[in-house]
Amino acid sequence: DGGITQSPKYLFRKEGQNVTLSCEQNLNHDAMYWYRQDPGQGLRLIYYSQIVNDFQKGDIAEGYSVSREKKESFPLTVTSAQKNPTAFYLCASSTGIRVTNEKLFFGSGTQLSVL
Amino acid sequence: AQKITQTQPGMFVQEKEAVTLDCTYDTSDQSYGLFWYKQPSSGEMIFLIYQGSYDEQNATEGRYSLNFQKARKSANLVISASQLGDSAMYFCAMRGDFGNEKLTFGTGTRLTIIP
Repeated sequence: DGGITQSPKYLFRKEGQNVTLSCEQNLNHDAMYWYRQDPGQGLRLIYYSQIVNDFQKGDIAEGYSVSREKKESFPLTVTSAQKNPTAFYLCASSTGIRVTNEKLFFGSGTQLSVL
Repeated sequence: AQKITQTQPGMFVQEKEAVTLDCTYDTSDQSYGLFWYKQPSSGEMIFLIYQGSYDEQNATEGRYSLNFQKARKSANLVISASQLGDSAMYFCAMRGDFGNEKLTFGTGTRLTIIP
């Protein structure tokens, strides 16, 4: 089955610790995205990548880092600089970014909490 | 800048009734696309329906239809004959033209279907 796999489903971070959220897709999509979802708020874009070895900051990139070494993988690292990391994180992909009707396919998310 | 507004934080609807979820948007782009996503309690975002700004007819997908009123900048989702499985969060989103290609989400509406 083609789709997007996020792991782990739940993650706990200690103060001062970096943690990495995994996102893998087998849809052969060029574009991948990371969104953050807080209660009562919509999804906010953290980072996105249109092609391997290239990525751009979204609206709330501070305290986060990403890499795109393979087409299938787009891991997100939540660094110690992110002071309020508790949120639900969603990874998504699409065939491209330039086409208006391009829909996003989402993973099932990772809930990150601070200990 | 693009903006999506969903003014209904929560709605309760009797099973088998139709329900309309409101969405208004703001953009200066001539070409744009509007999306609706469903997020059940499992967390995954499920694509429901798409409407392009130049589409002359309202989009329909099974029990879902999009009431597109371009002059009013509204893109309401209509669910006919609601079912218990329709209980979820619903998000309206839009993608604009060059420079505004990133998908922008509203804050969502929590729909609860009452048996």
